[in-house]
Amino acid sequence: DTEVTQTPKHLVMGMTNKKSLKCEQHMGHRAMYWYKQKAKKPPELMFVYSYEKLSINESVPSRFSPECPNSSLLNLHLHALQPEDSALYLCASSQDEAGGPSGEQFFGPGTRLTVL
Amino acid sequence: AQSVAQPEDQVNVAEGNPLTVKCTYSVSGNPYLFWYVQYPNRGLQFLLKYITGDNLVKGSYGFEAEFNKSQTSFHLKKPSALVSDSALYFCAVRDIGDNDYKLSFGAGTTVTVRA
Repeated sequence: DTEVTQTPKHLVMGMTNKKSLKCEQHMGHRAMYWYKQKAKKPPELMFVYSYEKLSINESVPSRFSPECPNSSLLNLHLHALQPEDSALYLCASSQDEAGGPSGEQFFGPGTRLTVL
Repeated sequence: AQSVAQPEDQVNVAEGNPLTVKCTYSVSGNPYLFWYVQYPNRGLQFLLKYITGDNLVKGSYGFEAEFNKSQTSFHLKKPSALVSDSALYFCAVRDIGDNDYKLSFGAGTTVTVRA
């Protein structure tokens, strides 16, 4: 299985809502990532988990809260978002050896988030 | 520090003609180089990578790329383009010497293949 899955595919939420994005992979990868992507722009790294521990937080606002419950799952909890947070949110995974990444990142199809 | 430049925002070719998407990179050490393709409303799909070894790398869907260390380039090529190759293409680099999870992406090149 070389697939990263993400749910939901689309999400519309108000600025006072709380919602969560989910990501799953069964490739045995120990590094997992959250990216934010605006239309026709490259992905922007938000968070990296390595062996279920938060490794990188790219100064993301606290209204985004990541969670890695186990080696296959990655969540992104959303609360009090702003309209400018509307974007495609991508999850990715890669092998992680000796504390560093190796090889390519595999991306999920993304969640299209709209904040009203 | 590492960075990638994709000098062309758009590339337009006729179906059946050769396709080239340009990429140059900058790293302090040796690079891991990647090409990804993104179709509308989809995630990024991995096309190919250069880690070490042969400078000509073959990937998915008939794409290949040539690593040129002296020119710090990693251009993506396809001998005969298809309409279905129309998409957004990203080049990405990571410094081998860094135990760092960060990929640096280029700005992207939109490829349009006309029938």
